[in-house]
Amino acid sequence: GAGVSQSPSNKVTEKGKDVELRCDPISGHTALYWYRQSLGQGLEFLIYFQGNSAPDKSGLPSDRFSAERTGGSVSTLTIQRTQQEDSAVYLCASSSYGQEIPNIQYFGAGTRLSVL
Amino acid sequence: AQSVTQLDSHVSVSEGTPVLLRCNYSSSYSPSLFWYVQHPNKGLQLLLKYTSAATLVKGINGFEAEFKKSETSFHLTKPSAHMSDAAEYFCVVSDLDNTDKLIFGTGTRLQVFP
Repeated sequence: GAGVSQSPSNKVTEKGKDVELRCDPISGHTALYWYRQSLGQGLEFLIYFQGNSAPDKSGLPSDRFSAERTGGSVSTLTIQRTQQEDSAVYLCASSSYGQEIPNIQYFGAGTRLSVL
Repeated sequence: AQSVTQLDSHVSVSEGTPVLLRCNYSSSYSPSLFWYVQHPNKGLQLLLKYTSAATLVKGINGFEAEFKKSETSFHLTKPSAHMSDAAEYFCVVSDLDNTDKLIFGTGTRLQVFP
């Protein structure tokens, strides 16, 4: 597709379970970002991937959160031992970093995670 | 460090009347500023971006924003609201020191009444 694709669109899980959220960026985009949108915290940055560089993990809220990006394309955000406060919408964005001034991030529709 | 402040959490207007959504920014240098819109259960869509080429920026759906350095503002306006404009609007600044990650304002929910 032409845009950023995220799956699943909705995920309901039980407290303590692990979840994986997937992001398929726009083809050719080298930069990929994860954000979280929650009622209490608004929209906050989680992690950033750019090409083969080490990811910027400065926004990850705890060591239960991790992400990887395979082959410079698809990314998976994993939350281990989910807690109720992890309930939020997880948004993925991609950009052709350095090719647009300013850098424009294009967002997917998000994954709504509900932890019961 | 960059930041943005959206002055109104909710704005209500009647269809056909002007829209003003206020945003102030804080940045130690010329910022990269954006407005994004989020319709219910939809992703974030870019409305417009400030590139420093012009202080008045035109975006999609008739929206525009004016960059005023002296007031550190980047307010979003539209001359005539449409019912379809009802959504959440985010003023955003790019963290130029740090991977261009986006720093979001808290959002303004726009309601449009018939």
